[in-house]
Amino acid sequence: GAGVSQSPSNKVTEKGKDVELRCDPISGHTALYWYRQSLGQGLEFLIYFQGNSAPDKSGLPSDRFSAERTGGSVSTLTIQRTQQEDSAVYLCASTPGTGAYEQYFGPGTRLTVT
Amino acid sequence: RKEVEQDPGPFNVPEGATVAFNCTYSNSASQSFFWYRQDCRKEPKLLMSVYSSGNEDGRFTAQLNRASQYISLLIRDSKLSDSATYLCVAPSSNTGKLIFGQGTTLQVKP
Repeated sequence: GAGVSQSPSNKVTEKGKDVELRCDPISGHTALYWYRQSLGQGLEFLIYFQGNSAPDKSGLPSDRFSAERTGGSVSTLTIQRTQQEDSAVYLCASTPGTGAYEQYFGPGTRLTVT
Repeated sequence: RKEVEQDPGPFNVPEGATVAFNCTYSNSASQSFFWYRQDCRKEPKLLMSVYSSGNEDGRFTAQLNRASQYISLLIRDSKLSDSATYLCVAPSSNTGKLIFGQGTTLQVKP
């Protein structure tokens, strides 16, 4: 079956602009996670959804970052007024539920803020 | 203290060597753990799950030491294709989310 997909695969934007990153999880997966990975660094947790609710938003770096999920499926991560330090790969993962499940990752969106 | 800590390496080993990575975790209530593999500029993929004392899959062995709160990954007879970053994953102490370690980089040389 289809895996997790993300779009766009690459995004170059000017400092100060807003960007939207999209994640399509595996069909039927109720939990969805967003991570950020800077060059040569580990995965930084941003937020996760169980259904359409976000029980844990603790990883969002600032109020410029927000995310939503609708219909228990597609999720959008929005970064407002982008800064150069926002440049990273944004990874999305989904699992059948929260807890100790294998996380299936999408290919990521590489964001570059110039 | 970070919830999950790994030695970032890099570990440079010759083909055929045995190499081991350790990972410490802070949530003593954690029951299950994972090792993921991440190739350069690719997304992480599950390598092994660790639910009890350990797990073995071919050349790969994962062990869990609950008393000392660490898990290890042993790779025997290293192949060039094993070169990657290995990420240790444990449940968070606060929520149901998983916490990824920084990753340990392995370079296997001919």
